[in-house]
Amino acid sequence: SQQGEEDPQALSIQEGENATMNCSYKTSINNLQWYRQNSGRGLVHLILIRSNEREKHSGRLRVTLDTSKKSSSLLITASRAADTASYFCATADRSGSARQLTFGSGTQLTVLP
Amino acid sequence: EAQVTQNPRYLITVTGKKLTVTCSQNMNHEYMSWYRQDPGLGLRQIYYSMNVEVTDKGDVPEGYKVSRKEKRNFPLILESPSPNQTSLYFCASSSWTANTGELFFGEGSRLTVL
Repeated sequence: SQQGEEDPQALSIQEGENATMNCSYKTSINNLQWYRQNSGRGLVHLILIRSNEREKHSGRLRVTLDTSKKSSSLLITASRAADTASYFCATADRSGSARQLTFGSGTQLTVLP
Repeated sequence: EAQVTQNPRYLITVTGKKLTVTCSQNMNHEYMSWYRQDPGLGLRQIYYSMNVEVTDKGDVPEGYKVSRKEKRNFPLILESPSPNQTSLYFCASSSWTANTGELFFGEGSRLTVL
C-alpha cells in the first residue's frame, strides 16, 4: 500500500530554475528516502533523511523533513536538462527495514533547455 | 562495479507460456525484492526475501513465484502469465547491516503478455 504521496504529479521548469517536490506520508517513519528514475530505467537512490533530522544536503539537492506535519520536500537547485526524470519518495517504517519501504507514485520533472 | 542485473530487459510472450525473469546482485546483500511498476500505481512489491531460503509475499503476489537458493540470485517466475501481468518489473537488493533500507535497483524488465 502506498504511504508517500508526491506533489505535484508533474512539474515543468526552465533550466537554471529551482525545482521543489513535496511528499506527505501517514504513519511514523524511521527514515525517508528520495529516488530518481530516468524514463524506463531503474530507480537510483538520491538521499536519505532520518526521522531525527530536519534538513540534509547533497550537492544540488536539499531535503527537509517535518515529522509533525508528516511531510518532506526535495529541492533541486540550478536545475539542468539532465535532471528530467521522475522522483519518488519512499518511507521506511520504524524498523528502518527495506522490507517496509513504501513508495509514492512520483513527480515527473521536466527541465526545459 | 556494484550492480543488480535483470534479464531479459524486454520480453513479449503469450498467455500461459511460463517464463522466468532472472535477477542477480554482486553486493552480497541479504535482502532482495521484486516490484512491478504500472502507470498511476507506482511501485508495488510482489515478493521479497530476507535471506537464502527465506521468501515472503509482498502486496501483489498473485500469479508469481520466487525462489532464493543462492544469496546472489532471486528469480521471478510467472507460471501461467496473463495480460494483466504486462508491466515493468524491477528487482532490488539491500544490506541489513546498512540498517537504512536503501535499495539498489536493477534496470528493469519490460514484460508484455499477449
